[in-house]
Amino acid sequence: EAQVTQNPRYLITVTGKKLTVTCSQNMNHEYMSWYRQDPGLGLRQIYYSMNVEVTDKGDVPEGYKVSRKEKRNFPLILESPSPNQTSLYFCASSYYSNQPQHFGDGTRLSIL
Amino acid sequence: EDQVTQSPEALRLQEGESSSLNCSYTVSGLRGLFWYRQDPGKGPEFLFTLYSAGEEKEKERLKATLTKKESFLHITAPKPEDSATYLCASRPNYGGSQGNLIFGKGTKLSVKP
Repeated sequence: EAQVTQNPRYLITVTGKKLTVTCSQNMNHEYMSWYRQDPGLGLRQIYYSMNVEVTDKGDVPEGYKVSRKEKRNFPLILESPSPNQTSLYFCASSYYSNQPQHFGDGTRLSIL
Repeated sequence: EDQVTQSPEALRLQEGESSSLNCSYTVSGLRGLFWYRQDPGKGPEFLFTLYSAGEEKEKERLKATLTKKESFLHITAPKPEDSATYLCASRPNYGGSQGNLIFGKGTKLSVKP
């Protein structure tokens, strides 16, 4: 089954404790992206990757890091999480950036 | 500044009552206008892509249209299962930066039986 898998689905952690949210797709897509979704603000793009080893900032990249060492994986790293990063996060992928994206089911992060 | 604005924020319809959702965009050279549906607790699900003014796409009770400044999602004779949040997104032409996608805040649709 074609899918985008995010882990964990839920996480409660504390300020400053490094965490990684994994994202994996099994569709051989070139393009992958991370979003956060907040009430009243909608979906905002954090980072995206056009291909392996190619990443670029979206609209809200501060406090996040990404890497794309393999085509299928695109982890989101919060090196020193803060409470304002409490949010619902989505990973998405598509063959190319102008194609419709497939979304994962989301990761709900709570940072205390 | 590139923006995508959706209206209304929320819409309540009776089953069978047709209506339209609006998505207006101000982006630097549009390279794709996308509509998604999002159910509670789920990721957005793709509905349509429109690339040029005048283009229309249809799927069951939904029809998406595009002009130079806005897109409409028309819902004909909706059913309760059409209840969801509908998201619009645009992909601007930034020249060297090809991967940005800008989402509107969505329209939450409720269809009562």
